[in-house]
Amino acid sequence: LAKTTQPISMDSYEGQEVNITCSHNNIATNDYITWYQQFPSQGPRFIIQGYKTKVTNEVASLFIPADRKSSTLSLPRVSLSDTAVYYCLVGEGYGGSQGNLIFGKGTKLSVKP
Amino acid sequence: ETGVTQSPTHLIKTRGQQVTLRCSSQSGHNTVSWYQQALGQGPQFIFQYYREEENGRGNFPPRFSGLQFPNYSSELNVNALELDDSALYLCASSWKGSNEQFFGPGTRLTVL
Repeated sequence: LAKTTQPISMDSYEGQEVNITCSHNNIATNDYITWYQQFPSQGPRFIIQGYKTKVTNEVASLFIPADRKSSTLSLPRVSLSDTAVYYCLVGEGYGGSQGNLIFGKGTKLSVKP
Repeated sequence: ETGVTQSPTHLIKTRGQQVTLRCSSQSGHNTVSWYQQALGQGPQFIFQYYREEENGRGNFPPRFSGLQFPNYSSELNVNALELDDSALYLCASSWKGSNEQFFGPGTRLTVL
């Protein structure tokens, strides 16, 4: 499984767009990129998953360049409730043989008023 | 649709004791995974069960064991508790092979 590297922490203000970049230089052909969000004392929550280019849902966008060695989670117009730890994970996606997730330390996002 | 539930929410044990944690999967999911999350760290994969059999295991000793039942609920058993076992234990259910796992709220275990 590819190792991921992401900033330990980030600060932002309400209403701003936040971009969290994750490096995964050893990503394999079958690997998908998945982001989870975790609030204190809660289990992680799936945000978005992608393989290449751009994926967008009602919560976030995920940008993946052609070489797939990095990815960027974009949160539009953050609010105080977006304060959480965000994890970038790389592994086989749908239909893959493994469903275990390898979490790093994540990025602690603090949104200020 | 019922989400993932775990019991108990909190538990205090002493070193050397044994503990059983329980998890009910989200309706329709056939795979359950267990994770240990120490304070300030990301969740660490313990093992996964699919069709009542262990389907993968992380770097945890044999004193961590599990069960999955026909209704896809699951148990995590830890024998000979050590102080370092103090952590939040998370259960997640999913369809096999999916990276979209649905986590429960966790069980906070404290070993004294």
